[in-house]
Amino acid sequence: DIQVTQSPSSLSASVGDRVTITCRASQDINNYLAWYQQRPGQVPRLLIYAAFTLQSGVPSRFSATRSGTDFTLTITNLQPEDFATYFCQNYYSAPHTFGGGTNLDIK
Amino acid sequence: EVQLVASGGGLVQPGTSLTLSCAASGFKFGDFAMHWVRQVPGKGLEWVSGISWNRGKSGYADSVKGRFTISRDNAENSLYLQMNSLRVEDTGLYYCAKALFGNWDSISDAFDVWGHGTVVLVSP
Repeated sequence: DIQVTQSPSSLSASVGDRVTITCRASQDINNYLAWYQQRPGQVPRLLIYAAFTLQSGVPSRFSATRSGTDFTLTITNLQPEDFATYFCQNYYSAPHTFGGGTNLDIK
Repeated sequence: EVQLVASGGGLVQPGTSLTLSCAASGFKFGDFAMHWVRQVPGKGLEWVSGISWNRGKSGYADSVKGRFTISRDNAENSLYLQMNSLRVEDTGLYYCAKALFGNWDSISDAFDVWGHGTVVLVSP
């Protein structure tokens, strides 16, 4: 099975900051990686699919890149509503494993 | 409005069975793969199972393989998860989720719509 290792597990930042979250797949998954945001008490929300394609309606301060098996989510100019938990997901092949999550909170 | 409503959760004893349902509306259900994802409150997400639009493909997490069965009724716009031989570690909030792209005979897709989930509690 493909493992996805997400880091860091937690992150503190301030409004206006730029942050990056990384996921590393245990093998090549091409671009079959998605990023989700989950605010407390809410369901996950799709931010990015196919490694770097922004989902409709997601602000452009969210972006993502891929380098081999390393995937990065970047959020620039952090807004108060961005403080949440972020998950990556491999959907190259079953099981479609999620990363362990990154809890982004206010410094 | 695109909506997914999961139901069927409850408190059960280890070793018993439960069937979850997910009612879909607001989109052409039969065109999209569907999935189940679970979450222990305060913890991460675990993909459980997925099924393609025409039932041609399905997949399971290793932790549920052989015990859970995913199915769908496109005429009824419904997704199901039959859970047998339940274990304490199956406890969690079970979400149903819709694949992003339709008419694609695969379960390899991101999830753009999530239902609010139904709680399964397995306890002696």
